[in-house]
Amino acid sequence: AQSVTQPDIHITVSEGASLELRCNYSYGATPYLFWYVQSPGQGLQLLLKYFSGDTLVQGIKGFEAEFKRSQSSFNLRKPSVHWSDAAEYFCAVGAMGTGANNLFFGTGTRLTVIP
Amino acid sequence: DADVTQTPRNRITKTGKRIMLECSQTKGHDRMYWYRQDPGLGLRLIYYSFDVKDINKGEISDGYSVSRQAQAKFSLSLESAIPNQTALYFCATSSWTGNNEQFFGPGTRLTVL
Repeated sequence: AQSVTQPDIHITVSEGASLELRCNYSYGATPYLFWYVQSPGQGLQLLLKYFSGDTLVQGIKGFEAEFKRSQSSFNLRKPSVHWSDAAEYFCAVGAMGTGANNLFFGTGTRLTVIP
Repeated sequence: DADVTQTPRNRITKTGKRIMLECSQTKGHDRMYWYRQDPGLGLRLIYYSFDVKDINKGEISDGYSVSRQAQAKFSLSLESAIPNQTALYFCATSSWTGNNEQFFGPGTRLTVL
């Protein structure tokens, strides 16, 4: 069965600093991978996704993520964090080819940005 | 206008009451989902529907029921609400293409007293 682990519950970074949010997944085949962001009081917005091809994917708001099959990871990065990036971030994995169309979410990482 | 809408956005109810949360979408997607979000637990799937005639239980369906009234509408009901159903509920949609990308509504915050 698929599962997702986000080991960091809460991360605090200074504005302008770099950011890396960790995501590890468990799935026996090639997964579909997603990062969503949830701003306070808002729904989930898709930041980026990986289906196949280039393992470094670019998303919105200057975010990128790298799929590393050998490490079963899909970490999210941003070179310079802005105060507006403060939010909760969710990694999710979907099962390729099963027809199930279901996503399995990690428990989320809350990002605090300090001036 | 938002592609996925949920009503109400906030609801406070009492234990034992029946409550319905509604979701509508204009994306033309055939697949719809209901999730609940609890602090520290992420999102957990309650029910999903691949078309009007197809309803499936998710990870945590006990205490909930759903109705797919049309391709664009998917309702979640709590027949007899209890306090541990206090949570943030999200509706989502996806297309049939099989890449699992889902589009989320703004959420309904439900409080059961």
